Amino acid sequence: EAGVAQSPRYKIIEKRQSVAFWCNPISGHATLYWYQQILGQGPKLLIQFQNNGVVDDSQLPKDRFSAERLKGVDSTLKIQPAKLEDSAVYLCASSSAGSAQYFGPGTRLTVT
Amino acid sequence: KQEVTQIPAALSVPEGENLVLNCSFTDSAIYNLQWFRQDPGKGLTSLLLIQSSQREQTSGRLNASLDKSSGRSTLYIAASQPGDSATYLCAVPNYGGATNKLIFGTGTLLAVQP
Repeated sequence: EAGVAQSPRYKIIEKRQSVAFWCNPISGHATLYWYQQILGQGPKLLIQFQNNGVVDDSQLPKDRFSAERLKGVDSTLKIQPAKLEDSAVYLCASSSAGSAQYFGPGTRLTVT
Repeated sequence: KQEVTQIPAALSVPEGENLVLNCSFTDSAIYNLQWFRQDPGKGLTSLLLIQSSQREQTSGRLNASLDKSSGRSTLYIAASQPGDSATYLCAVPNYGGATNKLIFGTGTLLAVQP
């Protein structure tokens, strides 16, 4: 089966600019996660969707980050405006009920 | 609050050695524990998933053990190869509440020297 797809793979922007990331989960997976991984750290959850509803966004900096999952399939994560500390790898993962989480290749964001 | 720790932070071994990576967690109420591999600039590849009722899982040269009562897991890699060089992460899902987000350790950076 096809894995989790993410794009773009790399993005370089200046601070205060905006950026958007896209994720296509494994077909049939109802749960979708966005994690942020800062260099040298483990990934941390930003937001979790169950179908197109939000389960947990407690760690999402809502003043600058937003995410949506239209029709319960693809998802986009947006940052506006970006700060230097947003430089990280943004990982998308998906799972079905009771299964392990499967991760995409990630998007490496550099904010200059 | 669940916290996951991995020791050592970095490890360098000669090719062919057997090695053990350690993972500890503070809350023993876990559903399962997962070991991942991450190559530089890449996403996470799931290696092994151990359910809370299991003590071990094996895949090829990899063997993961779980001791819930002591809050520990180990990943054993037999006959290491240069291709095993990567960062290894362990993670446990959040227990209770609406989210089953994974809580990760900071990883062990492994270098296998040819």
